Amino acid sequence: QLQLQESGPGLVKPSETLSLTCTVSGGSISSTDYYWGWIRQPPGKGLEWIGSIHYTGNSYYNPSLKSRVTMSVDTSKNQFSLKLSSVTAADTAVYSCAREGLCTTSCYNGYFDPWGQGTLVTVSS
Amino acid sequence: EIVLTQSPATLSLSPGERATLSCRASQSVGSYLAWYQQKPGQAPRLLIYDASNRVTGIPARFSGSGSGTDFTLTISSLEPEDFAVYYCQQRSDWPPFTFGPGTKVDFK
Repeated sequence: QLQLQESGPGLVKPSETLSLTCTVSGGSISSTDYYWGWIRQPPGKGLEWIGSIHYTGNSYYNPSLKSRVTMSVDTSKNQFSLKLSSVTAADTAVYSCAREGLCTTSCYNGYFDPWGQGTLVTVSS
Repeated sequence: EIVLTQSPATLSLSPGERATLSCRASQSVGSYLAWYQQKPGQAPRLLIYDASNRVTGIPARFSGSGSGTDFTLTISSLEPEDFAVYYCQQRSDWPPFTFGPGTKVDFK
């Protein structure tokens, strides 16, 4: 059973860079059928997709965050990572990683399952 | 960017009752809409994809319908474990993929 687990600092200072890693277990990140995504949820607010990356390194980001986001993949560790620069209090949120794509008889991009439990990142001095 | 709105914000029902949740898109998303369930302290779980297809292992009491801009998630008879927050999400016009604000189904 595929599982994802986020890790990284829970507190980041304003103007610094938020860095998180998602470790995938129970399956390989090096699948041609799937992308790997990050989604966040600010306290009391809705879900916001941040971006997705393929094991080949191909990635796409939310235009609203694109200038500040970098994602990467480490296939040797079965991990992918998120960096969000120049953070402010508005970036305080629970950050979750998820597999993007659903394959049955066909594969459908753009759906997220499974998800990690999420990790709260607070931006504060 | 496609904006999704969900109604009602909260739905108060009793076990055994029928739940009808609505999701409306700011422009047509065809059938490219999913529903997720999130319980407190847990990760979201994908229930329905492409508007009406149940994910393997999801009980038959969950059904999705709709196309274009108006979609419905129906839970035919609520079980105690169904009390949760439900989100819709579109993959029609991206980036970005967008989510609705959620509907909370709680105990009456």
